[in-house]
Amino acid sequence: AQSVSQHNHHVILSEAASLELGCNYSYGGTVNLFWYVQYPGQHLQLLLKYFSGDPLVKGIKGFEAEFIKSKFSFNLRKPSVQWSDTAEYFCAAKAAGNKLTFGGGTRVLVKP
Amino acid sequence: NAGVMQNPRHLVRRRGQEARLRCSPMKGHSHVYWYRQLPEEGLKFMVYLQKENIIDESGMPKERFSAEFPKEGPSILRIQQVVRGDSAAYFCASSPTGGANNSPLHFGNGTRLTVT
Repeated sequence: AQSVSQHNHHVILSEAASLELGCNYSYGGTVNLFWYVQYPGQHLQLLLKYFSGDPLVKGIKGFEAEFIKSKFSFNLRKPSVQWSDTAEYFCAAKAAGNKLTFGGGTRVLVKP
Repeated sequence: NAGVMQNPRHLVRRRGQEARLRCSPMKGHSHVYWYRQLPEEGLKFMVYLQKENIIDESGMPKERFSAEFPKEGPSILRIQQVVRGDSAAYFCASSPTGGANNSPLHFGNGTRLTVT
């Protein structure tokens, strides 16, 4: 069965630190990958997506993610976080015709 | 262009009552997905619907839960005889196409159901 796993449930870091959130998926074949963010009390918003082409994807708010096919990974990065990046981050994957499957989420707390 | 609209935002029900959650997709979107987010857990897929059709309900509990997306009106997620374990945030998402890969889902603000 298709699955998405996120390595860390909670991450705490200080402002200006670099952030990397791990994500692995278990599909064979073509897959589309997404990162969503959920700020406290708000709905999920799309940060970035990968369909094809350049495996390094730029998203909003300074986030980027790298698709490494050989490792079935799609890790999210941000070089320097801000307090406003405190949120829960969800990795998701979708194979052709299938539903979007989410990872368990990573709660990120950025201390000012 | 209004986003995905869910109502109510918060819903409190006593055990044994029925809960009805509504979702109006974005304009032009004909595919609706329901997800459930339990405390300290990620989003779990429940059901995928197109107008008047259930496409995939593999994530729906076998009993007490049902969903519809009529030709006119919002999609409804219905939970009969609610129990405390149904307390969760229920998110609706929509997309213009379902099978095509290049259509990210747009999410609503969710309905937070509390069963007392």
